Amino acid sequence: DTGVSQNPRHKITKRGQNVTFRCDPISEHNRLYWYRQTLGQGPEFLTYFQNEAQLEKSRLLSDRFSAERPKGSFSTLEIQRTEQGDSAMYLCASSLEPTRSYNEQFFGPGTRLTVL
Amino acid sequence: AQKITQTQPGMFVQEKEAVTLDCTYDTSDPSYGLFWYKQPSSGEMIFLIYQGSYDQQNATEGRYSLNFQKARKSANLVISASQLGDSAMYFCAMREALMISSGSARQLTFGSGTQLTVLP
Repeated sequence: DTGVSQNPRHKITKRGQNVTFRCDPISEHNRLYWYRQTLGQGPEFLTYFQNEAQLEKSRLLSDRFSAERPKGSFSTLEIQRTEQGDSAMYLCASSLEPTRSYNEQFFGPGTRLTVL
Repeated sequence: AQKITQTQPGMFVQEKEAVTLDCTYDTSDPSYGLFWYKQPSSGEMIFLIYQGSYDQQNATEGRYSLNFQKARKSANLVISASQLGDSAMYFCAMREALMISSGSARQLTFGSGTQLTVLP
């Protein structure tokens, strides 16, 4: 399968624990995005990478969140000291830019986090 | 102000009928793109159709077409000949600043979605 993959698909954790998610983008894609989606809402932008450089972070990304993309391939999103408000679906998307006029973002299946 | 507004939390349509899902947007940027994504219960966002702000014609992709009314800032999705498999959440999204050089995130901004149910 050559699409975007994310692991794990589901994660249940206790409040205060740290969690880490992984995203493997489409292999030739240079851009990688993280979004968060809460129940009944559309995805909200968290951060993005151009190759290995993290170029922008939204205000939603508190100090407890950190993302990396070593070597410009896969990316990890870590949440430290999880809170119940962190419960959401975390979506990863990748794109190849600039090639197509609209630079379609391809999404992975998401990681659903539940903080108890 | 909301950048993307989807006013229909839920819609029902009879199988084989056409349905229109509404989307209005707000931007002062002259160069932007509008996207529709489908999200089935499995969670994956599936790209359906794209419309650029400078595109002269409405976009079409198979059974999907986009009714783009620039002056009204609306980009409604029309699904023709609905199928049971079309039942899903549908999101309208916008990407601004298309003409800015590389480095800008140009992330997607999503609406709150419309849950479409196709009835047999």
